[in-house]
Amino acid sequence: DVKVTQSSRYLVKRTGEKVFLECVQDMDHENMFWYRQDPGLGLRLIYFSYDVKMKEKGDIPEGYSVSREKKERFSLILESASTNQTSMYLCASTTPGLAGYEQYFGPGTRLTVT
Amino acid sequence: AQRVTQPEKLLSVFKGAPVELKCNYSYSGSPELFWYVQYSRQRLQLLLRHISRESIKGFTADLNKGETSFHLKKPFAQEEDSAMYYCALKYGNKLVFGAGTILRVKS
Repeated sequence: DVKVTQSSRYLVKRTGEKVFLECVQDMDHENMFWYRQDPGLGLRLIYFSYDVKMKEKGDIPEGYSVSREKKERFSLILESASTNQTSMYLCASTTPGLAGYEQYFGPGTRLTVT
Repeated sequence: AQRVTQPEKLLSVFKGAPVELKCNYSYSGSPELFWYVQYSRQRLQLLLRHISRESIKGFTADLNKGETSFHLKKPFAQEEDSAMYYCALKYGNKLVFGAGTILRVKS
C-alpha cells in the first residue's frame, strides 16, 4: 500500500519566516508534486519533480521553492512566509508506469501564517 | 490551454435521489480524465478513471468528447457519498484539477 507522509498536519508561522514542508513516499515513485488546496479554487500545482534534483514550476510557483535530494523526499520551501500563503498543502506522488497515472496523496499540512 | 470546470460548488440531494456532478474540460489533445474524492478527515484519493470504464461505489462517468464533458453519476445517492469531488485532466505528466464540488446527501 502506497504511503505518502507529510511532516506536519498543522503549522503556524509568522510573516517573514522561512518554512519547510516535507513529504516522503515509500513506493519508489519518480514523480512528486506539491499542491495548494483552497476553497473555490480546487488544487493548484505549485511545483513538481520527475526525478532527483529535477523540478519544474507548476501554475503558482511564486514565493515557493522546492528541493529533491533523494527520490523518496520532496520538500516545499516558503522563503518568506506571507499571510496569503495560509492554505492546505498537499503532496502527491506517482510513477509513469501506473495504470491511469493515479496520484497518491498525503494527508495534507494546514499552514497558517500570522 | 487545458482547463477543468466544475460549475457547482455545492450539490445537495436527498438519500436515494440520483446524483450528477458536472465536469467540463478544455484540451486540444486526446483527454485522460479522472474523478478524485476526499471524504471528511481523509486524504484525497482516486475514485475512477475514464480509460477503465469502471463503476466504483456505484459511480460511473462517461467521456463525451462532443460536449467535452466527464460528468460523474450515481443512480441512488447514499449518505456516505457526502464528500468533496474533484475532476482532473492529465496533460503531460501532470494533472489539472477543477475547483471541486461538495456533495451533501441528506437523510
